[in-house]
Amino acid sequence: ETGVTQTPRHLVMGMTNKKSLKCEQHLGHNAMYWYKQSAKKPLELMFVYSLEERVENNSVPSRFSPECPNSSHLFLHLHTLQPEDSALYLCASSQGGAVTDTQYFGPGTRLTVL
Amino acid sequence: LAKTTQPISMDSYEGQEVNITCSHNNIATNDYITWYQQFPSQGPRFIIQGYKTKVTNEVASLFIPADRKSSTLSLPRVSLSDTAVYYCLVGDLPSGSARQLTFGSGTQLTVLP
Repeated sequence: ETGVTQTPRHLVMGMTNKKSLKCEQHLGHNAMYWYKQSAKKPLELMFVYSLEERVENNSVPSRFSPECPNSSHLFLHLHTLQPEDSALYLCASSQGGAVTDTQYFGPGTRLTVL
Repeated sequence: LAKTTQPISMDSYEGQEVNITCSHNNIATNDYITWYQQFPSQGPRFIIQGYKTKVTNEVASLFIPADRKSSTLSLPRVSLSDTAVYYCLVGDLPSGSARQLTFGSGTQLTVLP
């Protein structure tokens, strides 16, 4: 148990659906992250929030939309996804932006797009 | 961020010491070296972090030579439960931003009975 929870753990959706992934951290951290891990590929950083300010990866398609209402919660809104978006989506948090800050990861949401 | 190179996979037997080396030839002065462990269908878990020489904790040791162009993660007396992917990362804090880590392909360690 890392102090970072993600719901749902598994999600199956059609290409026309709209769904949201939720992440909550109970560590009092100030930075939160979304990563995507596809089969046999390295983790890809998608979005970073630091003190509720977003630092966005420009290569992320607009069908992925993050939201960070406060420092403890992070959402990833999904709409009109493609089958290639099927992956493990991981949320992480860290105390702040210090060089030595450790990132704590949640268990992930396994997403399947049909 | 500095690019890292690790072996794709390694096999070991229970009870042996495992050393996984990571190359980071372009490491910058301010970069730290961090290792994470990931089990299937789980998020990565922090193992150890260092800047130079040697760092040891209850899980592993990290050896960093003087030129810092490589580092070696040492796992003493591995068990079957140490079978996982191990990632080496180097990175600094970009000015005015949260820390951004770049994960490589990692090393799949398989511990055999």
